[in-house]
Amino acid sequence: KAGVTQTPRYLIKTRGQQVTLSCSPISGHRSVSWYQQTPGQGLQFLFEYFSETQRNKGNFPGRFSGRQFSNSRSEMNVSTLELGDSALYLCASSLGSLAGNNEQFFGPGTRLTVL
Amino acid sequence: AQSVSQHNHHVILSEAASLELGCNYSYGGTVNLFWYVQYPGQHLQLLLKYFSGDPLVKGIKGFEAEFIKSKFSFNLRKPSVQWSDTAEYFCAVKNGNTGKLIFGQGTTLQVKP
Repeated sequence: KAGVTQTPRYLIKTRGQQVTLSCSPISGHRSVSWYQQTPGQGLQFLFEYFSETQRNKGNFPGRFSGRQFSNSRSEMNVSTLELGDSALYLCASSLGSLAGNNEQFFGPGTRLTVL
Repeated sequence: AQSVSQHNHHVILSEAASLELGCNYSYGGTVNLFWYVQYPGQHLQLLLKYFSGDPLVKGIKGFEAEFIKSKFSFNLRKPSVQWSDTAEYFCAVKNGNTGKLIFGQGTTLQVKP
């Protein structure tokens, strides 16, 4: 079974631009969560999507948004990029919603650098 | 607000030494507990998890963790580490009601051969 895949793996943008990251969950998984990983703040939860609905949201500004498609693939969008958005963005999928006893499987991440 | 604290940021051990990494959390309700590992250049992998039942949980690669509810702790242990255990270790706590997963800051383990 293929694991969680994320595209692109690396991305360089400039301040003020916007970016879209993509995540394909493990086949059959319906929940996709997004995390931001930085050396200073560690791993922080962005949001979770389950059955195309946002179920949970972390403490990030509205510039960070996401969506999930009917095939469970998910995209994350960051608008008006700031230098501080430079991070590794991780996607994780699970069979069911995070509210249940479901294990998450992580993808390799997208390394975003904002210049 | 819910938080997770990992006491050791950087640990250096020699092979065959015993390992214990501390993890404490600050939420009094139902929680699910996890330890993840990130080997150099690889993605996060689940080491072990606790949902309910026996508070002593065994995971992969000889790791185990004990959930002590009264201490809000979920410490990770391994009796004898190997060079291949060099990695970053993350404790994570999931709020059993909302499903929100909070990670600790991580502990970098360096095992000297």
